[in-house]
Amino acid sequence: DSGVTQTPKHLITATGQRVTLRCSPRSGDLSVYWYQQSLDQGLQFLIQYYNGEERAKGNILERFSAQQFPDLHSELNLSSLELGDSALYFCASATNQETQYFGPGTRLLVL
Amino acid sequence: DAKTTQPTSMDCAEGRAANLPCNHSTISGNEYVYWYRQIHSQGPQYIIHGLKNNETNEMASLIITEDRKSSTLILPHATLRDTAVYYCIVRPASGNTPLVFGKGTRLSVIA
Repeated sequence: DSGVTQTPKHLITATGQRVTLRCSPRSGDLSVYWYQQSLDQGLQFLIQYYNGEERAKGNILERFSAQQFPDLHSELNLSSLELGDSALYFCASATNQETQYFGPGTRLLVL
Repeated sequence: DAKTTQPTSMDCAEGRAANLPCNHSTISGNEYVYWYRQIHSQGPQYIIHGLKNNETNEMASLIITEDRKSSTLILPHATLRDTAVYYCIVRPASGNTPLVFGKGTRLSVIA
């Protein structure tokens, strides 16, 4: 158990819909990272937050957004969903010591 | 793009040492070598990391060559539960930065 929690574990929705994925970092970790893992793309970095502020952006679509709240939990919002958005979504958290610890992931299926 | 090269797959007999190689010939002096593994769609699990000295923890040993251009992750007594995809990642030592995952090595531990 990494100490990082993600909800929900599974999510099934339809094209065009919007979903919110939630991540609670390990106690004391200020950084949260979001990654997407699809069958054809592997694990890809989406976005990073540090203490409530956006720190870095990766291959994140404009339809996707994220935020980190004062209690340091983070949410990833996916809108206008397409079939190709079906994937595993992982968050990871880290302290200033930089080792990232990953949550169990949310499996999203868009039908 | 990932800055590492790993074999696509490897087999190891249960109880034997698993030696997973990684080439990172373009590594710079301020970059660490990190190893993670992913067991069947679970969240990536941190294993070990190092800068230039060999490292050992309860999970594995990391051997880094003197020129730092390659490294080997050693699982001393592989079990069936070690079957996973193993990722070797190079990342800067300073600051919180995203991980860049390659395709990793799929290790199969065989009874």
